[in-house]
Amino acid sequence: EIVLTQSPGTLSLSPGERASLSCRASHLVNNYYLAWYQQKPGQAPRLLIYGASSRATGIPDRFSGSGSGADFTLTISRLEPEDFAVYYCQQYSRSPATFGGGTKVEIK
Amino acid sequence: QVQLVESGGGVVQPGGSLRLSCAASGFTFSYYDMHWVRQAPGKGLEWVAYIRYDGTTKYYADSVNGRLTISRDNSKNTLSLQIDSLRAEDSAVYYCAKEPLERLYSWYFDFWGQGTLVTVSS
Repeated sequence: EIVLTQSPGTLSLSPGERASLSCRASHLVNNYYLAWYQQKPGQAPRLLIYGASSRATGIPDRFSGSGSGADFTLTISRLEPEDFAVYYCQQYSRSPATFGGGTKVEIK
Repeated sequence: QVQLVESGGGVVQPGGSLRLSCAASGFTFSYYDMHWVRQAPGKGLEWVAYIRYDGTTKYYADSVNGRLTISRDNSKNTLSLQIDSLRAEDSAVYYCAKEPLERLYSWYFDFWGQGTLVTVSS
């Protein structure tokens, strides 16, 4: 099983600032099979990024994904008020699909 | 638009059983692989079950130890999850989730339902 470690656990930032979220895998994630989701309290997760860097339908271009191998990053270029949430990475390179523990982006 | 609506959650005693359902609409249900993912209160996401678009292949997380059975009725656009021998650690919100590609497994999820809460308690 591939274990995903997300850091930091909590990121305290102000609207307009840049956010960088890290996701590191215990084994190589092949073919860039890495997705990112956003979850707000009481809501289901929403797909942001798949294939490590492809934005899902309707996702603003302030969200970008990068990385390869075992090291991936989600970047939010300028935080909007609606971006404060918990973010999860997920690998689908090897069964079972696994998720990271999440990074909470909170208002500073 | 795509809609996934779960139902069937509730409070159940340890050792009991529960059957969750997910009603799908807004897409051709029979073309897509489907999953169940759960989230314990205040915790992260855990994938638990997969079923191929035609129902012929199923996979489960090792952590559920054979207590889960996933099924689908493509004539009724419905996904189901039977959970037996419930334990306290099964307490979670259970989400059904859809894959993005027709008849081709990808194992990431482009749409999720709002979830149904299962609480195992005596």
